[in-house]
Amino acid sequence: QQQVKQSPQSLIVQKGGIPIINCAYENTAFDYFPWYQQFPGKGPALLIAIRPDVSEKKEGRFTISFNKSAKQFSLHIMDSQPGDSATYFCAAKRRQGGSEKLVFGKGTKLTVNP
Amino acid sequence: DAGITQSPRHKVTETGTPVTLRCHQTENHRYMYWYRQDPGHGLRLIHYSYGVKDTDKGEVSDGYSVSRSKTEDFLLTLESATSSQTSVYFCAIGTGVPAGNTIYFGEGSWLTVV
Repeated sequence: QQQVKQSPQSLIVQKGGIPIINCAYENTAFDYFPWYQQFPGKGPALLIAIRPDVSEKKEGRFTISFNKSAKQFSLHIMDSQPGDSATYFCAAKRRQGGSEKLVFGKGTKLTVNP
Repeated sequence: DAGITQSPRHKVTETGTPVTLRCHQTENHRYMYWYRQDPGHGLRLIHYSYGVKDTDKGEVSDGYSVSRSKTEDFLLTLESATSSQTSVYFCAIGTGVPAGNTIYFGEGSWLTVV
């Protein structure tokens, strides 16, 4: 059972475009929704995160939009650059017993052409 | 830099041999995780730890065991490596409440089982 569904699987945009990556979840126990950026040969790096009591969060050119009623959230990259070409993962975290667990979407490979 | 060191970074081993991957952190965080990353599957949780000697299974724990005898070290052992365990393994640490519930990843360990 995939707990976080991410789309699209891959995305190609031109420089300056606004790629949008979408994620959906079912479990209302999730309380934290981060996005990770991963370059080839590197570990995932935390990019931006949001809590469900907030509808939007911006950090630089990256924005998360969160729709709690629809159980969906998305990442927007403004004025995209070739250096943004990477794989992006959405995730959702919940507390379970004495631990905190993070589940991931399957990733979106973004290519920004010059 | 979240102070996470994984070793070895690259390893080739034969089917049936035991393999241990080490994750070391310098920040004294309570939560530590082992994920594997495979094409088409994203990041999947193998095992996690919420304290010294406190560990639990993730979604793909079969064939793996873990140990945490010190706060700073979390070991992942493949008791008898199989080709299906060829993967990239990522250790992660969780800062937990009240530090913001942020999870950071190491640089990965590439394991090939031949």
